[in-house]
Amino acid sequence: GAGVSQSPSNKVTEKGKDVELRCDPISGHTALYWYRQSLGQGLEFLIYFQGNSAPDKSGLPSDRFSAERTGGSVSTLTIQRTQQEDSAVYLCASSLGQGSYNEQFFGPGTRLTVL
Amino acid sequence: AQTVTQSQPEMSVQEAETVTLSCTYDTSESDYYLFWYKQPPSRQMILVIRQEAYKQQNATENRFSVNFQKAAKSFSLKISDSQLGDAAMYFCAYRGSNTGNQFYFGTGTSLTVIP
Repeated sequence: GAGVSQSPSNKVTEKGKDVELRCDPISGHTALYWYRQSLGQGLEFLIYFQGNSAPDKSGLPSDRFSAERTGGSVSTLTIQRTQQEDSAVYLCASSLGQGSYNEQFFGPGTRLTVL
Repeated sequence: AQTVTQSQPEMSVQEAETVTLSCTYDTSESDYYLFWYKQPPSRQMILVIRQEAYKQQNATENRFSVNFQKAAKSFSLKISDSQLGDAAMYFCAYRGSNTGNQFYFGTGTSLTVIP
């Protein structure tokens, strides 16, 4: 079946503009994660959605970052008033549920460049 | 917070030889899960292997195996008979049973396979 998809694959924007990044998880996966991967760094957790529960936003770096998940499926990560330090690859992952054993399936990421 | 350390930013191996990537982690939990993910240049993160902390037997998946030393909090990945397609970034990840929903990732090891 289809994997996790993300769009766009690349996004170039000017400092101060808002951007929206989209993630389509695997059908039936109730858990959805957003990560940020800066050059030469590991994955930085941003936010987590599990079913209809309130999202875990503890990783969001500032109030310029927000995310929503509509209908328990598609998720959008929004970055307002982008800064150059926001440049990174943004990865989305989904998994079957909350169980610790459940692996995450990752999308190909969106490479964001803020000029 | 849990930390995951990969002390080898870069490694190289001759084709058909064996290489070991190291990973250590810090936790106070007794029950948790450990993962190795591979990220090729395509950016698509793929699960390589996983280990449950309560299992003493080391996980094995074809040419990939782990050396899990719970007391030492060490989780190394051994790749046998290395192939050109193994060239990628490898990330070690931790997920605890009591630490909510987060996966904690190391900073990665870039593996080069020399023909």
